[in-house]
Amino acid sequence: AAGVIQSPRHLIKEKRETATLKCYPIPRHDTVYWYQQGPGQDPQFLISFYEKMQSDKGSIPDRFSAQQFSDYHSELNMSSLELGDSALYFCASSLGSQFYGYTFGSGTRLTVV
Amino acid sequence: GQQVMQIPQYQHVQEGEDFTTYCNSSTTLSNIQWYKQRPGGHPVFLIQLVKSGEVKKQKRLTFQFGEAKKNSSLHITATQTTDVGTYFCAENTDKLIFGTGTRLQVFP
Repeated sequence: AAGVIQSPRHLIKEKRETATLKCYPIPRHDTVYWYQQGPGQDPQFLISFYEKMQSDKGSIPDRFSAQQFSDYHSELNMSSLELGDSALYFCASSLGSQFYGYTFGSGTRLTVV
Repeated sequence: GQQVMQIPQYQHVQEGEDFTTYCNSSTTLSNIQWYKQRPGGHPVFLIQLVKSGEVKKQKRLTFQFGEAKKNSSLHITATQTTDVGTYFCAENTDKLIFGTGTRLQVFP
């Protein structure tokens, strides 16, 4: 079965650079979520989209933005990168109801140097 | 913001021993989901509990939702090395709010 696809798997950027992370959700899943996970931490919610519209926002810095496109893939854009942005970034998709589990992608490991 | 606490933070067990992680909230939870994250991996959905006092089993795993819907537990019987990972509880309120997680290490 198709899973949530994220790219790239690894990304190394310098401070103040820009990064773009991509996510392809499971077909027919109507909601996409982005999470950030620091070392030894639990995943923290960043932002979500329901049917291509932003539906909720968490602790996402103003330097970050995201969107969902007509083909349902989503991109997380991160500008003016800081060392503290180094983390695992997960995308997840679900059917958008409280009664369904989320399917997570394999994540993008971002290292800012 | 509200965070769901899990205890213990770490647990080391000998293969074959049992393991339990507890999830506690100061407020009533609408539901609880459990996820497993292997080292270097991504969270994988295990189960969802919705009803007060609900108990569900998956082979060696037993999940329980408290009567007051403020706590939950995951019990693994006779652990195996494949059980290694971090177990997270999470409440789904149109987004997942994860608990602090319990990291399980199993020694052969």
